[in-house]
Amino acid sequence: NAGVTQTPKFQVLKTGQSMTLQCAQDMNHEYMSWYRQDPGMGLRLIHYSVGAGITDQGEVPNGYNVSRSTTEDFPLRLLSAAPSQTSVYFCASMPPGQSYGYTFGSGTRLTVV
Amino acid sequence: RKEVEQDPGPFNVPEGATVAFNCTYSNSASQSFFWYRQDCRKEPKLLMSVYSSGNEDGRFTAQLNRASQYISLLIRDSKLSDSATYLCVVNLGTYKYIFGTGTRLKVLA
Repeated sequence: NAGVTQTPKFQVLKTGQSMTLQCAQDMNHEYMSWYRQDPGMGLRLIHYSVGAGITDQGEVPNGYNVSRSTTEDFPLRLLSAAPSQTSVYFCASMPPGQSYGYTFGSGTRLTVV
Repeated sequence: RKEVEQDPGPFNVPEGATVAFNCTYSNSASQSFFWYRQDCRKEPKLLMSVYSSGNEDGRFTAQLNRASQYISLLIRDSKLSDSATYLCVVNLGTYKYIFGTGTRLKVLA
């Protein structure tokens, strides 16, 4: 049981490049989300999904796209990387019922130069 | 005012000490509450949910005060391995979770 798996763990991009951060979970969780964590700002929600085929925007969605074609996978796409997107990105999933907590992936450290 | 506020610390305590953190929240409609632990350069991990009646898990006790809009985390008999950042999380419903910026704890030998 791997939990939530994120790849890559580290990435350096040049401004304007695009890339996809991968996230997969094997717990059959319907709810998945992407957060970014920046110093002094806490985790901020980028996008989330309540099930396959359903996605919605979080607090800071600009510059990012998501899709949810299967229950297991929830990739995050950076369309045209900017230095302001330098951050640590976490994917997380949760079982139904909002009284349960998240299981987080190990994170992707992204630097945009 | 931030939706969720925590004292950033660091709280430096000797081994064996008891330490408590508070977290205040601004939305009285908040529905559920959690404490997460985050080690340096690692992902957050759920420590415990916070129930209205308070709950305990070993050396850790969490309490909720809805009237004053805060939750607390008490750690008894601190261990070196308790050194981490503790994140307060508030659920506003409809999968809206607000994370605090965390309180850093250092347990000293």
